[in-house]
Amino acid sequence: ETGVTQSPTHLIKTRGQQVTLRCSSQSGHNTVSWYQQALGQGPQFIFQYYREEENGRGNFPPRFSGLQFPNYSSELNVNALELDDSALYLCASSRGGQETQYFGPGTRLLVL
Amino acid sequence: KNEVEQSPQNLTAQEGEFITINCSYSVGISALHWLQQHPGGGIVSLFMLSSGKKKHGRLIATINIQEKHSSLHITASHPRDSAVYICAVGYNTDKLIFGTGTRLQVFP
Repeated sequence: ETGVTQSPTHLIKTRGQQVTLRCSSQSGHNTVSWYQQALGQGPQFIFQYYREEENGRGNFPPRFSGLQFPNYSSELNVNALELDDSALYLCASSRGGQETQYFGPGTRLLVL
Repeated sequence: KNEVEQSPQNLTAQEGEFITINCSYSVGISALHWLQQHPGGGIVSLFMLSSGKKKHGRLIATINIQEKHSSLHITASHPRDSAVYICAVGYNTDKLIFGTGTRLQVFP
């Protein structure tokens, strides 16, 4: 059973640029959630995708958007990057419902 | 006020000590998760529980739904247990609300 993978592992961008982060869900999982973790803080929920549809969103502006593909992998896109977007971005997959979420290793984004 | 409060924020222990980390939440939940995060970022799910108690090796998690409180215990702590331990609560969706974590350092 393949675990959750994320790419890239690290990324450096400048303000105003756009970024796409990728997440491959664990085999058999149809739900992917994305989280932002600022340094020294707990993760914050960005949004969740269930069977290719957005299934809940946290308090993030519209420049944070996402996609889920038929194979249940997912992308997080952030437009017009700001310095405060520098964080660790985590994705987690699950079978949906109240099942355990399995986390990927994260993508560390630095915005200069 | 954060919906999920953890204590202590930082904890140091000598190898072999019994560790307790506490988590309190403010509204009714469907499940509570305990997670472990090592330096570098990777998160591992330790427990998901909605009532009672669960045990896995040296780790024990308990939850009291009436008091909206959970504890994570580590028996016979070891330096490899050093990590950030995060409590997260789930409602009727898969959305998780996280605490800010407890940083544990266990010294030999």
